Amino acid sequence: QKEVEQDPGPLSVPEGAIVSLNCTYSNSAFQYFMWYRQYSRKGPELLMYTYSSGNKEDGRFTAQVDKSSKYISLFIRDSQPSDSATYLCALGRTGTASKLTFGTGTRLQVTL
Amino acid sequence: EAGVAQSPRYKIIEKRQSVAFWCNPISGHATLYWYQQILGQGPKLLIQFQNNGVVDDSQLPKDRFSAERLKGVDSTLKIQPAKLEDSAVYLCASGQGGTGELFFGEGSRLTVL
Repeated sequence: QKEVEQDPGPLSVPEGAIVSLNCTYSNSAFQYFMWYRQYSRKGPELLMYTYSSGNKEDGRFTAQVDKSSKYISLFIRDSQPSDSATYLCALGRTGTASKLTFGTGTRLQVTL
Repeated sequence: EAGVAQSPRYKIIEKRQSVAFWCNPISGHATLYWYQQILGQGPKLLIQFQNNGVVDDSQLPKDRFSAERLKGVDSTLKIQPAKLEDSAVYLCASGQGGTGELFFGEGSRLTVL
């Protein structure tokens, strides 16, 4: 079993839709939870960073962490074609937060 | 502020040949990482440097891969000899350490024939 599971998609939604992206993990040592966005032929860029359970909002993006279920989510409201990219969840452990374990990434396509 | 610079962007070699990738991190970032991203997969950490010392190289195939970070700034990643399964994008990232906020370069795409 992989430490971090993420549905690879692809996920296709119409412009304006609400998108839900998810990851599950198996190791309770993970305490830091991040979402990176990766455009085609580019490096990943940090989108959201959370440390504890609960929600964190930034514009159209909301990150949600449920440590009891070992489940993290990223919601995108009013999705735009410019949101078309691969979204990677990344998890870090206490004491080694910068050593990240990435999910496989979910490819999202927002259509006009 | 300049981002993480990597070169070359693309490289095609035959198996058993050697290749080297170069990375220049963001100025002032003490921590530097090399990740391998195979098509359809998430990045996998190969090696992590703190200044010019190695913090973690547990997933680096040391029989063929080597990396160095001279003077705590630029870094090179070398593969010798290359295998078909080394075809991937090699991502360099830097950070200020202690957090998961990494800044990635655009990557070096390697194709081994």
